[in-house]
Amino acid sequence: GAGVSQSPSNKVTEKGKDVELRCDPISGHTALYWYRQSLGQGLEFLIYFQGNSAPDKSGLPSDRFSAERTGGSVSTLTIQRTQQEDSAVYLCASSEGVTGELFFGEGSRLTVL
Amino acid sequence: GENVEQHPSTLSVQEGDSAVIKCTYSDSASNYFPWYKQELGKRPQLIIDIRSNVGEKKDQRIAVTLNKTAKHFSLHITETQPEDSAVYFCAAPFSGGYNKLIFGAGTRLAVHP
Repeated sequence: GAGVSQSPSNKVTEKGKDVELRCDPISGHTALYWYRQSLGQGLEFLIYFQGNSAPDKSGLPSDRFSAERTGGSVSTLTIQRTQQEDSAVYLCASSEGVTGELFFGEGSRLTVL
Repeated sequence: GENVEQHPSTLSVQEGDSAVIKCTYSDSASNYFPWYKQELGKRPQLIIDIRSNVGEKKDQRIAVTLNKTAKHFSLHITETQPEDSAVYFCAAPFSGGYNKLIFGAGTRLAVHP
């Protein structure tokens, strides 16, 4: 694809529901990140996949958050039992290697009512 | 710990003036320092980066300087223009795994005509 694709672009859900956010990185990129950006705030690191290695999950804020990356390509971020404080834009990014330009998707804006 | 501190959080300048944003990092093994620009409602995009084997890098009106001894790096924008108004993020990789990229909190730059 031409760039990093994320879906859905917008998601409104009720407190307590589960949500899944999808990221389709640039083909061939081995590194994939998920970041969270609350309104007017910075880029909070959530999780990092590098090749076939075990992911770095150190940024996940609670055990309600999980992510997987299938076949070294598409990634899904799952938030269980959503809370209002989970409302934010979830950004996915990919890069060719360990250090290199990150290409961000447009983000998935999550609103928990 | 894994930390990138960025200052100032907001910066207001007159068109034509220079702007400087500073970041410090905690991991002495970090060797790659990118800067991203995020315009309102858009995704972050890389504007310049520097690797630890050089002390300064320039690209037209923007430059980045690196002081590895002091563990800080700075973004310099000269002859600022209204289109430079955006949020700027610095970042550094953290070792102990796969060099995941951690971002500073961001600087909101406003350039007034």
